[in-house]
Amino acid sequence: DTGVSQDPRHKITKRGQNVTFRCDPISEHNRLYWYRQTLGQGPEFLTYFQNEAQLEKSRLLSDRFSAERPKGSFSTLEIQRTEQGDSAMYLCASSSRQGAGNEQFFGPGTRLTVL
Amino acid sequence: QKEVEQNSGPLSVPEGAIASLNCTYSDRGSQSFFWYRQYSGKSPELIMFIYSNGDKEDGRFTAQLNKASQYVSLLIRDSQPSDSATYLCAVNYPTGNQFYFGTGTSLTVIP
Repeated sequence: DTGVSQDPRHKITKRGQNVTFRCDPISEHNRLYWYRQTLGQGPEFLTYFQNEAQLEKSRLLSDRFSAERPKGSFSTLEIQRTEQGDSAMYLCASSSRQGAGNEQFFGPGTRLTVL
Repeated sequence: QKEVEQNSGPLSVPEGAIASLNCTYSDRGSQSFFWYRQYSGKSPELIMFIYSNGDKEDGRFTAQLNKASQYVSLLIRDSQPSDSATYLCAVNYPTGNQFYFGTGTSLTVIP
């Protein structure tokens, strides 16, 4: 399978715990994005990597969220001290070029439930 | 503030009809426009993108872009029950790498 993969697909955690999600982009894609989506809403941008550099981060992203892409391949998104409001689908997408036609391809997502 | 607006629906069309989905955006600097389909509980799936004024066709799908009116639409011809999903409009700006999504339009194709 050459698409974007995410792990785990589902995560249930208790409030206050830390969670980490992994994303493996399409192999030749150097751009990687994280989004959060709640019910009835479109995906909300969280952060963007070009290779290993984190170039953009949403102002809505609290300090409890951190993302890495250490070798420019897979990426991790960590949420510390989870809150019930963090319950959402976390989506990863990748793309290979900038400008017009910068189409993104999404992974299957990680559904987080914070109890 | 960059906004992308879509009618949430639900939009219902009979099987075989044309479904028309609309999207407006607030920033004239917008460069690329994307349509995604999202089935319940699944991730968005890219249908097509457009960046030039006019129409772009891909099979049963046609994207239409009017930059002067800041309007992009998606037409689905010969709608099938399998087209029943939420359709998301996304806009990309050249000054950054953020994509802005609308809230989506729910489409139901009635057999």
